[in-house]
Amino acid sequence: GESVGLHLPTLSVQEGDNSIINCAYSNSASDYFIWYKQESGKGPQFIIDIRSNMDKRQGQRVTVLLNKTVKHLSLQIAATQPGDSAVYFCAENLSNDYKLSFGAGTTVTVRA
Amino acid sequence: GAVVSQHPSRVICKSGTSVKIECRSLDFQATTMFWYRQFPKQSLMLMATSNEGSKATYEQGVEKDKFLINHASLTLSTLTVTSAHPEDSSFYICSARAGLAGAKETQYFGPGTRLLVL
Repeated sequence: GESVGLHLPTLSVQEGDNSIINCAYSNSASDYFIWYKQESGKGPQFIIDIRSNMDKRQGQRVTVLLNKTVKHLSLQIAATQPGDSAVYFCAENLSNDYKLSFGAGTTVTVRA
Repeated sequence: GAVVSQHPSRVICKSGTSVKIECRSLDFQATTMFWYRQFPKQSLMLMATSNEGSKATYEQGVEKDKFLINHASLTLSTLTVTSAHPEDSSFYICSARAGLAGAKETQYFGPGTRLLVL
C-alpha cells in the first residue's frame, strides 16, 4: 500500500550548519504529519507536527514545510548541534484514521 | 507533560516463557495506546491498537494469541509475548494518545523495551 518514504537514508552535517531532512509521502488522503527523533536505544521523541491546512510551522530551532502539490514534507534544523545526531522519522496520518504510518528514517550525524 | 513510561526497559528470558511489558501514560489519560515493534536499523512497525475497555485491533500478520494486549485503564496497557522464541527478540515500543476518536492528536512514545529471548 501507499506509505511514507524518505529521500536519503543518511545525512552528515557540520556542527552549526542548518540541516534539511526530506520525506516523500504518496497518500493524498493523509492530513496530519509528525516528525519524530529517535536516539539509539530510546523511543521516538515528538519534534513537531503539521496539519494539511498549513504549509509551514515553526518550533524551537525547527521548521516543518509541507508541499501537498508534490506530496513532500521536510524538517529543517537550524544551527545543528551534536545532540541532534539521531534517526529522524516522518509519520503520516490518514484523514479517516488515527494510526501513524512511518517512513524508513534518516540518520543524521553531526560532525564537530 | 505527555510522558509515557514502559517497564521493564530490557528483559532476557528463556525460550518458551511469557513476558509482560507495561505501558503507562503518566500525566494524561490515554484513550488509545499503540504497540510497535522495531528491528535494528529499521522503522517502527505497528502491531496493534488498543482502546480502554475493548479488545485490541491487530495489524495484518500479527498473531493476537501470541501478543496479548490488555488495556484495563486509561493509563495502562500491557503487552504479553506468550511462549516467546528467539525470533521474538526485538525492541517493543508503546505510544499513547489522548483525545477523542477521530481527533488528530500526537502519539507520545514510551522509551521502549528491549526483549532478548535465548
